Amino acid sequence: GQNIDQPTEMTATEGAIVQINCTYQTSGFNGLFWYQQHAGEAPTFLSYNVLDGLEEKGRFSSFLSRSKGYSYLLLKELQMKDSASYLCAVFSGGYNKLIFGAGTRLAVHP
Amino acid sequence: SQTIHQWPATLVQPVGSPLSLECTVEGTSNPNLYWYRQAAGRGLQLLFYSVGIGQISSEVPQNLSASRPQDRQFILSSKKLLLSDSGFYLCAWSVRSQGSKTQYFGPGTRLLVL
Repeated sequence: GQNIDQPTEMTATEGAIVQINCTYQTSGFNGLFWYQQHAGEAPTFLSYNVLDGLEEKGRFSSFLSRSKGYSYLLLKELQMKDSASYLCAVFSGGYNKLIFGAGTRLAVHP
Repeated sequence: SQTIHQWPATLVQPVGSPLSLECTVEGTSNPNLYWYRQAAGRGLQLLFYSVGIGQISSEVPQNLSASRPQDRQFILSSKKLLLSDSGFYLCAWSVRSQGSKTQYFGPGTRLLVL
């Protein structure tokens, strides 16, 4: 079956670093996405990993280990506006079919 | 640049009434199009996807249907809504190519069935 696991909630302090983990078991794998979703809004694209290793993009980095079925999203220098849900999604199969995890709700406090 | 529109933004409908949600994409041709539903506190569930006009694939059996009458138009419909159809409906598009897989989401329609 298809399964993507993420922690339900996390809290962190403004200015700190937080790591959001994602593990997956899917019948196929052609890449992993991270999306950010603020409450009541649509998801917005953050990162895409298809090869093992770390991809850095400003304050956000994403890591992938295909052999372990594991990814993480690293957020540095946290800001209050980073309070949102972070969705892990695996591209599995043709026609760009994405399988989403339930998301991790991150609360950043002063 | 590409933009994606959805309407209405919010909708309150009685059980048993029909539904029509519309999604249009601008600034691109031949996109792949998708309908997702997000229930409160849950992940996105893929409902339908389309790789071209009139070509619809259904992911989950339900009382919803989708149509693609034009290249950049995707419509989600129901003849009779159920309470369980309440949720946040998101339309998304992606470039139809082997290289690009990123999906871009519209603003969504929040549907409440009473």
